[in-house]
Amino acid sequence: DIQMTQSPASLSASLEEIVTITCQASQDIGNWLAWYQQKPGKSPQLLIYGATSLADGVPSRFSGSRSGTQYSLKISRLQVEDPGIYYCLQGYSAPLTFGSGTKLEIK
Amino acid sequence: EVQLVESGGGLVQPGRSLKLSCAASGFTFSNYGMAWVRQTPTKGLEWVASISTGGGNTYYRDSVKGRFTISRDNAKNTQYLQMDSLRSEDTATYYCARHPPGYLNWFAYWGQGTLVTVSS
Repeated sequence: DIQMTQSPASLSASLEEIVTITCQASQDIGNWLAWYQQKPGKSPQLLIYGATSLADGVPSRFSGSRSGTQYSLKISRLQVEDPGIYYCLQGYSAPLTFGSGTKLEIK
Repeated sequence: EVQLVESGGGLVQPGRSLKLSCAASGFTFSNYGMAWVRQTPTKGLEWVASISTGGGNTYYRDSVKGRFTISRDNAKNTQYLQMDSLRSEDTATYYCARHPPGYLNWFAYWGQGTLVTVSS
């Protein structure tokens, strides 16, 4: 199985700050990487797919990038509605596997 | 608006069976692959199974192979997860999810989830 190592596990940042979350894949997964945001008591919502493509309706302050087998989600200016848990997902091969999550809070 | 509504969760004893349903609306159900994903506080998010548009191709994680069966009824816009020989480690919130068009590689939409508790 492909392992997705996500960091940091938790993060506290100020409003308007730039936030970056990373996932390291245990092998080459190309651009088969998605990012999700989950708020308490809710289901995950798709933010980014194909490593860099923004999902419909997602604010442009969210962006995804790739460097080799390392993938990053960047929030350019943290907003009050952005706290939650963020997960990466590799869709390269079955079983599809998620990162362990990053809990983002407002400082 | 895409809607996925799960039902069928509940408390079940180890070794027994349970069948989850997911009613879909707001899109042409037969055009999309579908999936089940589960979540626990300890293991996080786990993909469970996926099914192709026509139902002819199914895929499972190893820990549920031979015990779970994913299926769909395109006439009823509904997918199912038949869970047999349930174990305590199957306890989780189960989400119905829709794949993007033409792919089974990520999940574009999720339902609200249904809780399955396996305990004596």
